[in-house]
Amino acid sequence: EVQLVESGGGLVQPGGSLRLSCAASGFTFSSYWMHWVRQAPGKGLVWVSRINIDGSATSYADSVKGRFTISRDNAKNTLYLQVNSLRAEDTAVYYCARGGTFGLSYFDCWGQGTLVTVSS
Amino acid sequence: EIVMTQSPATLSVSPGERATLSCRASQSVSNNLAWYQQKPGQAPRLLIYGASTRATGFPARFSGSGSGTEFTLTISSLQSEDFAVYYCQQYNSWPRTFGQGTKVEIK
Repeated sequence: EVQLVESGGGLVQPGGSLRLSCAASGFTFSSYWMHWVRQAPGKGLVWVSRINIDGSATSYADSVKGRFTISRDNAKNTLYLQVNSLRAEDTAVYYCARGGTFGLSYFDCWGQGTLVTVSS
Repeated sequence: EIVMTQSPATLSVSPGERATLSCRASQSVSNNLAWYQQKPGQAPRLLIYGASTRATGFPARFSGSGSGTEFTLTISSLQSEDFAVYYCQQYNSWPRTFGQGTKVEIK
């Protein structure tokens, strides 16, 4: 069974940092592009970042560029999102999602999400 | 950035009735359009990809159509488990963008 399990969320003060993790199982992790998508409370889905299969190419939404860093460890089947300089507007559930084996793909599997709350 | 606009924001439908949801892209996305279903407290779930291909696990009462800038998700006969929020998403260009969602609620 394909499974994605996020962790690392929590309550953090403005300006703080967290590292989110997404543990993958049930598929060949190193063959898939991976993404982070977030959802603020009561709001819609917003794509945050993506990484290609070997980590050599990444991209970010403008709202997080320069503050968030996506990475992956294919040996550990784990995706990461380092979130720095957090703002109140970064408060959201962060989902990891599986893309395809190449760039042009939808998100066919999602984790259950991890909640990041930015508040003093 | 491609803006995805969904309508209506909320759709009130009785069980057994047909529901039609619309999604418009600000520029052509070809058929690189997906629909997701999200129930309260749950992660989104892929419903349709390639504008019209149903994902695993969804029954034939769900269908998608359209190409270019205009897309439609139809639920032919709503069942209780179909009441949820539905999002469209384009994967034709970066950044990937979602519509704001259509909530399908019980009338």
